Amino acid sequence: RKEVEQDPGPFNVPEGATVAFNCTYSNSASQSFFWYRQDCRKEPKLLMSVYSSGNEDGRFTAQLNRASQYISLLIRDSKLSDSATYLCVVTGGTSYGKLTFGQGTILTVHP
Amino acid sequence: ETGVTQTPRHLVMGMTNKKSLKCEQHLGHNAMYWYKQSAKKPLELMFVYSLEERVENNSVPSRFSPECPNSSHLFLHLHTLQPEDSALYLCASSETSGRLNEQFFGPGTRLTVL
Repeated sequence: RKEVEQDPGPFNVPEGATVAFNCTYSNSASQSFFWYRQDCRKEPKLLMSVYSSGNEDGRFTAQLNRASQYISLLIRDSKLSDSATYLCVVTGGTSYGKLTFGQGTILTVHP
Repeated sequence: ETGVTQTPRHLVMGMTNKKSLKCEQHLGHNAMYWYKQSAKKPLELMFVYSLEERVENNSVPSRFSPECPNSSHLFLHLHTLQPEDSALYLCASSETSGRLNEQFFGPGTRLTVL
């Protein structure tokens, strides 16, 4: 089983749509959770951290379910500029920042 | 953005060549990382340096040799690589090596091994 598993997509949605991505992780000792965004042929950049209580940043909402080892990202009112690959990332089991990445979910927002 | 820079951006090398990738961070961070991103695979952590000491060597073949002379610079020395080593090599840095710290990535070096 992959350490971090994501639906690779691609997701093709119209502008203004709401889209949700899911991610599961296998290591129950994982302690920190993130969503990174990677544009085509660019480096990954942190989109948001994910907290147990859930958190929101503008149009983006992240949720964590530790019992189910499940993380989600919801994007509301999609924009063309949201087109990218979204990477689910977890850390844990070590004292240092070892990030374990999912394969990524490709999102394309079209006019 | 110039927080983390990498050179060269593209590299083509033969299997018998020796080359080095360079990473420099201008963020005052104390931890630096090398990742490998192959097509259709997740990013894989290769090495972690914290305060210039290697704290992780993630089962990487010895043909990859990292060097961290100071907290701002990180090198990846390459020798006798294989075609399957062709990938995007990403450098990252974080304030410390703690798991809560955001990692900032450089633009990567796209390596092709012939």
